[in-house]
Amino acid sequence: QVQLQESGPGLVKPSQTLSLTCTVSGGSISSGGYYWSWIRQHPGKGLEWIGYIYYSGSTYYNPSLKSRVTISVDTSKNQFSLKLSSVTAADTAVYYCARELPSPNTDAFDIWGQGTMVTVSS
Amino acid sequence: SSELTQDPAVSVALGQTVRITCQGDSLRSYYASWYQQKPGQAPVLVIYGKNNRPSGIPDRFSGSSSGNTASLTITGAQAEDEADYYCNSRDSSGNHLKVFGGGTKLTVL
Repeated sequence: QVQLQESGPGLVKPSQTLSLTCTVSGGSISSGGYYWSWIRQHPGKGLEWIGYIYYSGSTYYNPSLKSRVTISVDTSKNQFSLKLSSVTAADTAVYYCARELPSPNTDAFDIWGQGTMVTVSS
Repeated sequence: SSELTQDPAVSVALGQTVRITCQGDSLRSYYASWYQQKPGQAPVLVIYGKNNRPSGIPDRFSGSSSGNTASLTITGAQAEDEADYYCNSRDSSGNHLKVFGGGTKLTVL
């Protein structure tokens, strides 16, 4: 059974870079067929998709965050990571990593990490 | 448009049927997926594609779509179904942007 686990600092200072890692267990990122995404949820609000990466390294980012986001993959560690630069208080949120099922006519995130709360504050 | 619109709140009597809807231009081209989120927990996929349920999701959950509207139906709602429900689809512009609805708070009375 594939499981995802986010890790990283829970507190980041304004203007710095938020860095999170998602460790995949019970399956290999390199097996292909899935996209690996980051999604966030501001306190008491809805879900916002940040971007995804494929095991080959190809990425796609939400245009609203594209200038500040980098998602990378380390297949040797079975991990993928998120970096969000120049953070402000508006980036305070619960950050989830998730696996997306491959499909031409639907998006479906079938496995999610438990989420990690990141607060941006000095 | 990349927007998906949901009613903020819906209520249902225990054991009755409830439909939660999601509207958006992208739903004319793409199926919606539906997620259940309980307080303090990660979202859980309950319906995806035309009407597919992941393993472990009760068959009282079903999905449908017509025009620009997708629906999640719970037939015989249970107390444990009280949660926030989010729809998700792809942006209608043909790129890979994924969008979520604002969520519907379901109360089981």
